[in-house]
Amino acid sequence: LAKTTQPISMDSYEGQEVNITCSHNNIATNDYITWYQQFPSQGPRFIIQGYKTKVTNEVASLFIPADRKSSTLSLPRVSLSDTAVYYCLVGPQEGSYIPTFGRGTSLIVHP
Amino acid sequence: DTGVSQDPRHKITKRGQNVTFRCDPISEHNRLYWYRQTLGQGPEFLTYFQNEAQLEKSRLLSDRFSAERPKGSFSTLEIQRTEQGDSAMYLCASSLASINTEAFFGQGTRLTVV
Repeated sequence: LAKTTQPISMDSYEGQEVNITCSHNNIATNDYITWYQQFPSQGPRFIIQGYKTKVTNEVASLFIPADRKSSTLSLPRVSLSDTAVYYCLVGPQEGSYIPTFGRGTSLIVHP
Repeated sequence: DTGVSQDPRHKITKRGQNVTFRCDPISEHNRLYWYRQTLGQGPEFLTYFQNEAQLEKSRLLSDRFSAERPKGSFSTLEIQRTEQGDSAMYLCASSLASINTEAFFGQGTRLTVV
């Protein structure tokens, strides 16, 4: 499995755009990039997934450069409720793939 | 509610006792995963099932841990002779065994061993 590296923590303020970058230098050709969000005392929740270029949904955008060695989760205009831990996962979405989590990025949004 | 449900949400037990947790996945999901999470860490994989078959177990899953998924529906995770180091959040997730799918997690069972 491709190893991922992301910042341990980030701070932001309400209304700002937050970008969390994940490095995955040894990503394989058939790997997808998936981001999860986890609030305290809850299980992780899928946010977004992509393979290349840009993916956008109602919650976030995911930017993936051409070499796919990194990806950036972008949260527009964050609010206090976006305070959570964000995990970047890389792996194939078929066969016996098991979602594997690192420590994630703890985002704290301040008033 | 059609999400993944776990029972109980909280469990306090004395060291040496046995505990059992239950997970009800989303009904059409054929994959079911168990994870353990301690404070400040991401979820750590324990084991997973495809239908009723247990396909992989982590080395974290000592012989005191056992998981079952009879009939490929709900699953149970049992911990025998609990130790204080077993205190953690135990998370269950389910997914479809097909391309490009996401895992859906339950809210977890918080175990405290005293």
